[in-house]
Amino acid sequence: EVQLVESGGGLVQPGGSLRLSCAASGFTFSDYAMNWVRQAPGKGLEWVSFISGTAGSTFYADSVKGRFTISRDISKNTLYLQMTSLRAGDTAVYYCAILTGTVTDYWGQGTLVTVSS
Amino acid sequence: QSALTQPRSMSGSPGQSVTISCTGTSSDVGGYKYVSWYQQHPGKAPKLMIYDVSERPSGVPDRFSGSKSANTASLTISGLQAEDEADYYCYSYAGSHTWVFGGGTKLTVL
Repeated sequence: EVQLVESGGGLVQPGGSLRLSCAASGFTFSDYAMNWVRQAPGKGLEWVSFISGTAGSTFYADSVKGRFTISRDISKNTLYLQMTSLRAGDTAVYYCAILTGTVTDYWGQGTLVTVSS
Repeated sequence: QSALTQPRSMSGSPGQSVTISCTGTSSDVGGYKYVSWYQQHPGKAPKLMIYDVSERPSGVPDRFSGSKSANTASLTISGLQAEDEADYYCYSYAGSHTWVFGGGTKLTVL
């Protein structure tokens, strides 16, 4: 059974940094590209970032480009999102997800990041 | 990377049908077959209801169907049931390994 478990969320001050983790199990981690998707309180879903299976390619939404870095450790079956220069607008539940546009579609339960002083 | 356009809210009575639209551009919805729909209940992760425009994952009732015409995709729910009350999001591949979501539609079953 595919499982994605996010961790690392919490309260951080504006301008601060935070690293999210997503522990993956139940599948061959390197076989799948991974994504981070976020959802601000009471708002819709927003795609944040993509990383290829071998970590050779990364892509970002314009809203986070230059501030967030996605990475993965295949030996640990773990996906990361390093977030810097955080703003109030980054407050959201962050999900790691396998998005393919096909029936292969899995999401974690999310981790809440709150940016506030 | 502009969000796809969905109606903010829709409603219907049990047994009725509703169709939720999702309008994008030729760079996303109109350009690829990778259009999907999610159902999200409060506090839960999104659940895939439709993929590849009109395909249903196993376990999703056939009351849910999808279609696409040009830059607009649609989700139709027939025979509305109380448990269908949720938020619905479309999403589409937008090229270069990027994805774009719709703003979401809150469906109320009256």
